[in-house]
Amino acid sequence: DQQVKQNSPSLSVQEGRISILNCDYTNSMFDYFLWYKKYPAEGPTFLISISSIKDKNEDGRFTVFLNKSAKHLSLHIVPSQPGDSAVYFCAASSKYNAGNMLTFGGGTRLMVKP
Amino acid sequence: DAEITQSPRHKITETGRQVTLACHQTWNHNNMFWYRQDLGHGLRLIHYSYGVQDTNKGEVSDGYSVSRSNTEDLPLTLESAASSQTSVYFCASSSNQAGRTDTQYFGPGTRLTVL
Repeated sequence: DQQVKQNSPSLSVQEGRISILNCDYTNSMFDYFLWYKKYPAEGPTFLISISSIKDKNEDGRFTVFLNKSAKHLSLHIVPSQPGDSAVYFCAASSKYNAGNMLTFGGGTRLMVKP
Repeated sequence: DAEITQSPRHKITETGRQVTLACHQTWNHNNMFWYRQDLGHGLRLIHYSYGVQDTNKGEVSDGYSVSRSNTEDLPLTLESAASSQTSVYFCASSSNQAGRTDTQYFGPGTRLTVL
């Protein structure tokens, strides 16, 4: 049973518009969440994170929102750019898991059209 | 600059062969991880290590082994390769600061094909 789910395998948006990528989790012990971005033939790179004590974290064009009651987080990219086209992975961690173990979702492929 | 490298980047092997994938990091991180990426499954943890001589099984460890003889390297061995192990493999590392979850830094990946 997947503890972290990204229900949309792909998303297509127009350049300049907002991209919203969603992630749901089932384990209530998760208290730290991360988004990674992956280009083809490269390893995932860290994008943004949020602790469960917050409900929003912003870094430039990227904002992550956390709704603990719904066990849901989302990544907003505004405005979207063609260079944002990549696969985005949501990941979660618990302070009760020693050593920074992450549980990943299945990924969402974002395509930003010029 | 510190980095994490993987070799080879591509490997084709036959069923039943032993295969070793290398991972080397110069971050001086204590924690190292091996994942496999398959369509629809995201990244699944194979093995991980918290330091020299420490190894632990992850979610999908059957058919794989690792060893940690120094801080920099965590080689992944497929004892007898199977077609189900055709995948893209990623190595990652992170520091081990108590009380926080640190970012994992990933290598570029190894694409393994088992025929």
